[in-house]
Amino acid sequence: GAVVSQHPSRVICKSGTSVKIECRSLDFQATTMFWYRQFPKQSLMLMATSNEGSKATYEQGVEKDKFLINHASLTLSTLTVTSAHPEDSSFYICSAGPVPTGVDGYTFGSGTRLTVV
Amino acid sequence: GENVEQHPSTLSVQEGDSAVIKCTYSDSASNYFPWYKQELGKGPQLIIDIRSNVGEKKDQRIAVTLNKTAKHFSLHITETQPEDSAVYFCAASISGNQFYFGTGTSLTVIP
Repeated sequence: GAVVSQHPSRVICKSGTSVKIECRSLDFQATTMFWYRQFPKQSLMLMATSNEGSKATYEQGVEKDKFLINHASLTLSTLTVTSAHPEDSSFYICSAGPVPTGVDGYTFGSGTRLTVV
Repeated sequence: GENVEQHPSTLSVQEGDSAVIKCTYSDSASNYFPWYKQELGKGPQLIIDIRSNVGEKKDQRIAVTLNKTAKHFSLHITETQPEDSAVYFCAASISGNQFYFGTGTSLTVIP
């Protein structure tokens, strides 16, 4: 149980285009989803916290107009990287929860490798 | 805000030996401490977690200890196997409202 599906796993796009990444909780309802960015050999950096039905809360330094987050249902959140540039190339990971196990657990998606050329 | 430090950044052990990774945190309000294993090109996977009302938790070869007074917690892996090789991240959270991650430990188990 507590599976989070993230798609696509890899995407290559041209500079200036937009890319949408989906994060789905398959077997539970996720009131909160987190979006992270991870550079090679570095830790996960929280970009934003998304609560179902409300606007996402962005971390300091994250451009909300560039990284659009939508959490329209309890099982789906999307991250759209608008007007992508090579410096946006990174590994993006979502996590969803809390999982219905009685503890404050969150499950991670498998990540999306974005390459902007 | 919360600051989580993790040591060591890299760790190599012989197969069968134990591995210990340590983390410290700064916010005494943090009450949930998960540990994640991340393999190359994949998302992190929760391997064990501990809440602030517990001092130790064990799951087969993996154990986590928490010292609230000193604000540090540790991951212990016994009888290490090559498949344990991965990057391990600790995290601290206040009831899951926000997660702060350590910088990661790259563990290599040498056969």
